[in-house]
Amino acid sequence: QVQLVESGGGVVQPGGSLKLSCAASGFTFSNFGMNWVRQAPGKGLEWVAFIQSDASDKNYADSVKGRFTISRDNSKNMLYLQMNSLRGEDTAVYYCSSGIGVPSASLFHYWGQGTLVTVSS
Amino acid sequence: IVLTQSPATLSLSPGERATLSCRASQSVLSYLAWYQQKPGQTPRLLIYDTSNRATGIPARFSGSGSGTDFTLTISSLEPEDFAVYYCQQRNSWPLTFGGGTKVEIK
Repeated sequence: QVQLVESGGGVVQPGGSLKLSCAASGFTFSNFGMNWVRQAPGKGLEWVAFIQSDASDKNYADSVKGRFTISRDNSKNMLYLQMNSLRGEDTAVYYCSSGIGVPSASLFHYWGQGTLVTVSS
Repeated sequence: IVLTQSPATLSLSPGERATLSCRASQSVLSYLAWYQQKPGQTPRLLIYDTSNRATGIPARFSGSGSGTDFTLTISSLEPEDFAVYYCQQRNSWPLTFGGGTKVEIK
């Protein structure tokens, strides 16, 4: 069955960096676009970034553009999010997600359990 | 594209009909999805492309609309349906979510 397992979250100071990982299994990872979605404590959902199946196309939310970089390693079935210049408003649970089994990778059909990033001094 | 959901909170009793609204600041054609999120759980895709139920979603959930105005209807609320519901558009980048509607027990 499809499994997405995030890791790499933690506490980081403002201005710091963190790299999140998402291990994928149960499907042909290299065939699907992937996303990062975040949710601040007690708040709604915010899409963060998308990467095409072959990494040929990437898109970012305006709030993270220039600071975050999405990447993938299809040989390892891994998705990444490099987060630089972190701010307090980046504090959130970060989920990896994909539209496996539905018409588009821009739909969030499967979700990981999330990893918490806390930006605080 | 800004998605505005209304009402923010809907107080209903089990067995009642729930009607949730999502309005887009510009047309998203039919590329509108709905998600359900319960406390402490990850979101679940309910409806995609306006009216298509995702795998395993009960028939009491239905979606309608086009362009800028969309509706999620729960025909008869079950106890497990009390949750927060989000709409999401995939017509253009950046992908966006609405702010959510909480369906609570009256």
